[in-house]
Amino acid sequence: DGGITQSPKYLFRKEGQNVTLSCEQNLNHDAMYWYRQDPGQGLRLIYYSQIVNDFQKGDIAEGYSVSREKKESFPLTVTSAQKNPTAFYLCASNTLGPGANTGELFFGEGSRLTVL
Amino acid sequence: AQSVAQPEDQVNVAEGNPLTVKCTYSVSGNPYLFWYVQYPNRGLQFLLKYITGDNLVKGSYGFEAEFNKSQTSFHLKKPSALVSDSALYFCAVIGSGGGADGLTFGKGTHLIIQP
Repeated sequence: DGGITQSPKYLFRKEGQNVTLSCEQNLNHDAMYWYRQDPGQGLRLIYYSQIVNDFQKGDIAEGYSVSREKKESFPLTVTSAQKNPTAFYLCASNTLGPGANTGELFFGEGSRLTVL
Repeated sequence: AQSVAQPEDQVNVAEGNPLTVKCTYSVSGNPYLFWYVQYPNRGLQFLLKYITGDNLVKGSYGFEAEFNKSQTSFHLKKPSALVSDSALYFCAVIGSGGGADGLTFGKGTHLIIQP
């Protein structure tokens, strides 16, 4: 079945360590997104990518980095510069219509990062 | 800029009663509107969307939503609530002109269905 796979589901990190969250999709979607979810704050956009080898900062990109070397993959690295990294991270993807990005998003199951 | 407001952090409904989860939006151009549901420690699942046409949209699990252009609202409804409907619900919007950064989400509403 087609879908989005995020790994790991749970991750613990010591302060000062970088961690990378994996996101893979086999839906042949053009666009991919990373969101951060904190209680009571909804979803906040970290980074997004509409095409291979190109990506853009979202609303809260500081302390994060991404790459898009393949259409199927969009890994997120949480760096030591991120001051409060404990959160639930969601990856999503969708198709791009001609001249517009109005398609529904498909989400992975999320990765919960806890900084010890 | 586009935005979504979900005015209630939590909605409590008795099982079997009708439920409404409220959403209002602001967007340039015509809106594309979405509802998603999230269960604990899971990703978001798509429920329904309004693109154009009939103002009453039917979706998964017996949910429906009514688009009201004059009130810029897109409230989620269900005629008879189930305990299993208890979850976190998100409303989202994007303008018909699109936007590279995709949907804008509300902060979510916790729906609690009491047996």
